[in-house]
Amino acid sequence: AQKVTQAQTEISVVEKEDVTLDCVYETRDTTYYLFWYKQPPSGELVFLIRRNSFDEQNEISGRYSWNFQKSTSSFNFTITASQVVDSAVYFCALVMDSNYQLIWGAGTKLIIKP
Amino acid sequence: NAGVTQTPKFRVLKTGQSMTLLCAQDMNHEYMYWYRQDPGMGLRLIHYSVGEGTTAKGEVPDGYNVSRLKKQNFLLGLESAAPSQTSVYFCASSYSSRAGELFFGEGSRLTVL
Repeated sequence: AQKVTQAQTEISVVEKEDVTLDCVYETRDTTYYLFWYKQPPSGELVFLIRRNSFDEQNEISGRYSWNFQKSTSSFNFTITASQVVDSAVYFCALVMDSNYQLIWGAGTKLIIKP
Repeated sequence: NAGVTQTPKFRVLKTGQSMTLLCAQDMNHEYMYWYRQDPGMGLRLIHYSVGEGTTAKGEVPDGYNVSRLKKQNFLLGLESAAPSQTSVYFCASSYSSRAGELFFGEGSRLTVL
């Protein structure tokens, strides 16, 4: 079965702290893609990153970084020096090469306190 | 630079009424999707389309119908609304069925009384 688990329902940190959002996935396919999306309080969903199953290289984009580890089926997202504007719900998602349907995690609500 | 546009943004219906949500994209994407978002459940796929004139069922298709008569438009219909269909509906489009990022509309909040 295919599944995405975001065990952290809600995380609250003080501004400037580092925070890691966990994502664990399950799939039997060897070719798949993993995504992170951000949903700020305004409600729209914004694409952050895509990673395919053959590329385990970690990615850094400014204060954002992603750690993809096939050995633990995880695709974790770290925000360094968090800011209030990072407050949002973050979703991890999985799509297999054999299927059109994105499988979404339940999301993690991140609250950054000033 | 519209991207994906959904109309209406808000709607209140009575049980049994019908309505149609319209999604329009101006990026020439082949793939379009309708999702619903409920608290604590992430996004669930209702129906999707892989091209003009085609539609397919997603995870939660019951009570909904869709049509893709034009490549840029994807309509979601509720023939007889039920309170369980109270949700926020998102339309999305992508250039690739799997590897492509999804571009989302702003969402449509539907309340069924």
